[in-house]
Amino acid sequence: LAKTTQPISMDSYEGQEVNITCSHNNIATNDYITWYQQFPSQGPRFIIQGYKTKVTNEVASLFIPADRKSSTLSLPRVSLSDTAVYYCLVGGRPYTGGFKTIFGAGTRLFVKA
Amino acid sequence: SQTIHQWPATLVQPVGSPLSLECTVEGTSNPNLYWYRQAAGRGLQLLFYSVGIGQISSEVPQNLSASRPQDRQFILSSKKLLLSDSGFYLCAWRPGTGVGEQYFGPGTRLTVT
Repeated sequence: LAKTTQPISMDSYEGQEVNITCSHNNIATNDYITWYQQFPSQGPRFIIQGYKTKVTNEVASLFIPADRKSSTLSLPRVSLSDTAVYYCLVGGRPYTGGFKTIFGAGTRLFVKA
Repeated sequence: SQTIHQWPATLVQPVGSPLSLECTVEGTSNPNLYWYRQAAGRGLQLLFYSVGIGQISSEVPQNLSASRPQDRQFILSSKKLLLSDSGFYLCAWRPGTGVGEQYFGPGTRLTVT
């Protein structure tokens, strides 16, 4: 499985856009990029997944350059409730069963008033 | 809709005592099942995953074991707990076919004293 590298922590203010970048230099051709959000004492929650270019949903956008060696999670206009740990995962084949997933240390985002 | 249950929610056990944590999934068939552990302030550590009844893959050899006696039941066990087994234990499921994200249970907070 490809190893991922993320910043340990980030600070932001309410209303700002936050971009969290994840490096995955050894990403394989069949690997997808998935981001999860985790609040204290809860399990992680899926945010977004993509393979290339840009993916957007009601929560976030995911930007993936052509070489796919990195990806950027973009959270528009964050609020205090977006304070959480964000994990970047690489691997797996969404339409094939039985893969394992490895969570890294994640990025702790602190949103201030 | 699918739901995932874990129990107990919290547990305090003495060193050397046995452990049994249970996870069940409703509303789906043949899910991939996962056990993770999260130490305080740390990322998620994958312990076991299963692609079917009786099929268990271990990621971290230690004093823990897992079993899958039924399609939607996943059990984490230990014969003798260590202090280092304290942590937040999360069970997750993923469709055997279909989209790739995992869905996490509410977790069990284990304190070994």
